[in-house]
Amino acid sequence: DAKTTQPPSMDCAEGRAANLPCNHSTISGNEYVYWYRQIHSQGPQYIIHGLKNNETNEMASLIITEDRKSSTLILPHATLRDTAVYYCIVRVHSGYSTLTFGKGTMLLVSP
Amino acid sequence: GAVVSQHPSWVICKSGTSVKIECRSLDFQATTMFWYRQFPKQSLMLMATSNEGSKATYEQGVEKDKFLINHASLTLSTLTVTSAHPEDSSFYICSASQGDASYEQYFGPGTRLTVT
Repeated sequence: DAKTTQPPSMDCAEGRAANLPCNHSTISGNEYVYWYRQIHSQGPQYIIHGLKNNETNEMASLIITEDRKSSTLILPHATLRDTAVYYCIVRVHSGYSTLTFGKGTMLLVSP
Repeated sequence: GAVVSQHPSWVICKSGTSVKIECRSLDFQATTMFWYRQFPKQSLMLMATSNEGSKATYEQGVEKDKFLINHASLTLSTLTVTSAHPEDSSFYICSASQGDASYEQYFGPGTRLTVT
């Protein structure tokens, strides 16, 4: 079972910031928070990951609370192409470890 | 980033036949490959994990005699759905990683299987 909970859906206006929350209250000390997204009928795409510090890359920012029990993925300027299902996953930081996908958040970006 | 391909991208087969899906890592050596299945409006479910040269490890509830996985090289894994039935119709997605060399898991574009 997934160790994360996310809202089933969110809406965002094009050009605005999209803030996607995730709860992971049972996260272990050696688990990282990963975010992936899946555009309809495509394979998942890696977005970002972090352990306890905030992270930023060209796609998004990841804010992790100090107690690590929740996080927020921020898409600073959402576009229509960001419409997708976003998955928050906690995982041990290894290429051997599996990814357990929950139901994710369906983000709909509208004009 | 690393590229993973799948072939075919979609396939239609008749009930009772077998179908093979290929997953290739194009520019890196994949020590470990994962196979997922996704039914409409549902999330990805891990079916099995395979390490190169070893037998695959199947998740609970996945029939290993029905879903044959071969990972004979560091760039190729195959999933064969044997004696396919309409309930096997799904979106099959593979991913690949370099094991301890990298934490990342790279996903293929998926294969849509329809069994008639």
